[in-house]
Amino acid sequence: DGGITQSPKYLFRKEGQNVTLSCEQNLNHDAMYWYRQDPGQGLRLIYYSQIVNDFQKGDIAEGYSVSREKKESFPLTVTSAQKNPTAFYLCASSMMGEGNKNTEAFFGQGTRLTVV
Amino acid sequence: AQSVSQHNHHVILSEAASLELGCNYSYGGTVNLFWYVQYPGQHLQLLLKYFSGDPLVKGIKGFEAEFIKSKFSFNLRKPSVQWSDTAEYFCAVNTNAGKSTFGDGTTLTVKP
Repeated sequence: DGGITQSPKYLFRKEGQNVTLSCEQNLNHDAMYWYRQDPGQGLRLIYYSQIVNDFQKGDIAEGYSVSREKKESFPLTVTSAQKNPTAFYLCASSMMGEGNKNTEAFFGQGTRLTVV
Repeated sequence: AQSVSQHNHHVILSEAASLELGCNYSYGGTVNLFWYVQYPGQHLQLLLKYFSGDPLVKGIKGFEAEFIKSKFSFNLRKPSVQWSDTAEYFCAVNTNAGKSTFGDGTTLTVKP
């Protein structure tokens, strides 16, 4: 069954702790993305990666880090430097399209992180 | 920097009314354009897309969108909405920098 798997679905952490969210895809997509979804603010891009071992900051990268050691995997670490980490996090992947513009994104089910 | 602006945050319609949701983007180069839908409790899914060619594109469930290059717009339309169209709708832009940017979303509520 092809798709994107995010785990866990719900995550609770104490303030000051780093936490890593998992994202795996078996669609053989080149590009992967992390978004944060807050009510009324749509999806805001945290980091994205077009190829293995390369990634770029999105619009709200501060307090987050990523790695792309394998094509299938793009884990996101929410560090203690992120001032407001409680949110719903979405991972997505897409194929690289013509002119380096990626095609449509496929989304995981999301991880709801709550920091207490 | 690229950005996407959706004009309406919340739209309320009665069944059979016509729908138009506005989307404008800012980016100097060529783009791929998308509308996604998120039904309550479900994943985001693709509604329709535009890469090139005919600027009027048709998607699933009777939705269509028109790309107007001179206005940097990609508005979503449906002639007659149904209660089952109640959802959140997102416009998105992919650029040749590999970046994918979403708008803030429009919540559509259709009253039966």
